[in-house]
Amino acid sequence: KQEVTQIPAALSVPEGENLVLNCSFTDSAIYNLQWFRQDPGKGLTSLLLIQSSQREQTSGRLNASLDKSSGRSTLYIAASQPGDSATYLCAVPYGGSQGNLIFGKGTKLSVKP
Amino acid sequence: DTAVSQTPKYLVTQMGNDKSIKCEQNLGHDTMYWYKQDSKKFLKIMFSYNNKELIINETVPNRFSPKSPDKAHLNLHINSLELGDSAVYFCASSQDHTEAFFGQGTRLTVV
Repeated sequence: KQEVTQIPAALSVPEGENLVLNCSFTDSAIYNLQWFRQDPGKGLTSLLLIQSSQREQTSGRLNASLDKSSGRSTLYIAASQPGDSATYLCAVPYGGSQGNLIFGKGTKLSVKP
Repeated sequence: DTAVSQTPKYLVTQMGNDKSIKCEQNLGHDTMYWYKQDSKKFLKIMFSYNNKELIINETVPNRFSPKSPDKAHLNLHINSLELGDSAVYFCASSQDHTEAFFGQGTRLTVV
């Protein structure tokens, strides 16, 4: 049974810091891994999708890495800004369908000005 | 242009009522989903549906039923609402192994 864990549960950093969010999964037989952002009271915004054949995926100040064999992914945020404050969720699909996602419980990030 | 849209955004209703939440996607995706986010913010899938198959998470009570009038819509019907059904419900869609897109959520409060 696939389980997804995110560490830390919460993180507070001063503006400008580089930071890393961690995600681990128990079953390495995944098609891909998706990172989302959720702002309070809002829906989920897809940030990055990293395929199982890729090791990294970049979008602006965000960089996601994937190590399937060790069951880990990291989301690196460079030069953090207060607008980055949100909950970050990672998820992996199961059952052959991309949207059948198993989510971690998220990392709540607060970037202080 | 919203990719996945849900209505209503907020729904307050009394115990025992029957309610529906609507979802539409304009992405041309084959598969749509309903998720529930509980009070601890944990997201869990309830249903996935395409034109071939409905997959129901075994933990979902049979008071919940998805109805799909066409490929672009997947509505969620809930009968005999209970206090424990209060949560945020998200609709999502996807195609093959590309990104899954989510709606903005419907906050359901049962009083």
